[in-house]
Parts: sequence; structure tokens; C-alpha cells
Amino acid sequence: QQQVKQSPQSLIVQKGGISIINCAYENTAFDYFPWYQQFPGKGPALLIAIRPDVSEKKEGRFTISFNKSAKQFSLHIMDSQPGDSATYFCAASMGSARQLTFGSGTQLTVLP
Amino acid sequence: DTGVSQNPRHKITKRGQNVTFRCDPISEHNRLYWYRQTLGQGPEFLTYFQNEAQLEKSRLLSDRFSAERPKGSFSTLEIQRTEQGDSAMYLCASSPFGDTEAFFGQGTRLTVV
Repeated sequence: QQQVKQSPQSLIVQKGGISIINCAYENTAFDYFPWYQQFPGKGPALLIAIRPDVSEKKEGRFTISFNKSAKQFSLHIMDSQPGDSATYFCAASMGSARQLTFGSGTQLTVLP
Repeated sequence: DTGVSQNPRHKITKRGQNVTFRCDPISEHNRLYWYRQTLGQGPEFLTYFQNEAQLEKSRLLSDRFSAERPKGSFSTLEIQRTEQGDSAMYLCASSPFGDTEAFFGQGTRLTVV
């Protein structure tokens, strides 16, 4: 029940295209769903996050879509750029401790 | 730089040796977390402090792993009698109490040979 499942494992997109990464969770007690971006040799950096009381959140080129009934959420990167090439992790947290449960990651490559 | 600082960035050790990593969180962040990340996987939660109190440690991988945050500021993660399977990136994160956003350091890459 603690798992967060992420797909696809890798994604190749042309510059200017839309990148879509999907995650699913089981534990309905999760109440915070962030997406992190990680470059090689660096720690994860928060991109955007959503709570289950909204169905969509947009920040610049990044949008999270959230489907509470399906227990799924996704990250959309519009107008993808080569600089977006990185590994993306979805995550979830709950309770007072707020430790993050991460998905397995998606390696995104944006071709110039 | 006022971000989360981790030292050393890289550590190579022989199997059976003890290693200690340090994490300096963002100033005034009450919460401090340790995670482990193996190649091709997402970070895995290990332990959590609120100020100096270690509130969750059941996810530490074995009794060879221990962590401290003696004065509620910096923290150390120690691995005793290292094994090759301990090779991974060890990440520290901090957050203000009541906030959900966690800020990660750049990690310590451990290689056990």
C-alpha cells in the first residue's frame, strides 16, 4: 500500500513536443503529491506539487493532472526543451512525518 | 549557498570499514530526512528527525545503520561494517515544520570495494 508506480521508465520526445509521465498509488491516505527533477550527480529538486482537493495545477510549462477516483496523477511538460532532459520522479506523502514515497523514475530525453 | 549541504560528496571505502556522512540542513528547518538512492531507482526513506528527536527509524536498513542529530542542527548517518550492497547515493533533505516541501542536498555517493 506504500508503493507509487511510475511509467514509462524512459521517454524520448522531440523538442517542442509534450512529455507525459504517469503515476499511480494505492494508499488513499496520501495527501500530497510532488514531482521532482533530478540531473546526474545532483539531488532531486521539487518541480511542482498538488493536493487531492484539486484536479489540475499548472506552473509555467509544467502541469499536474490528478484523478482522485482512479488514484492516478500525471506530469505534462509542454514545449519540451533539451534542457528538460533529466530523470523525473513522482512521490507521495501523508501524516505528520511527511516522508516521501517515490516512484521508480522516468528518464526523459528531449531531442534537439 | 543556503541550501542543504552534504559532505563528503563522494566516499570510497573498503568492505568492513565504518563510514560517516554529514548533512547540514537549511537554517531553521526543523525536519531532517535521510534517503538512500540506488542506481535507476527512486530515493528510499531511511529515517527522520524533528529537531533533535529521531521520530522514525524503523526503515533503517539494518542495525549497522544509525543516525544522529545531537543539537537539532546538522545530522550524521553512520554505516558500520560496510558491505558492497551499501553502495548507493545517500541523500539528506530538510523542511520547515508544518510545510510539505522538502529540499534535498546533492547527496553523498558511497562506493564499497
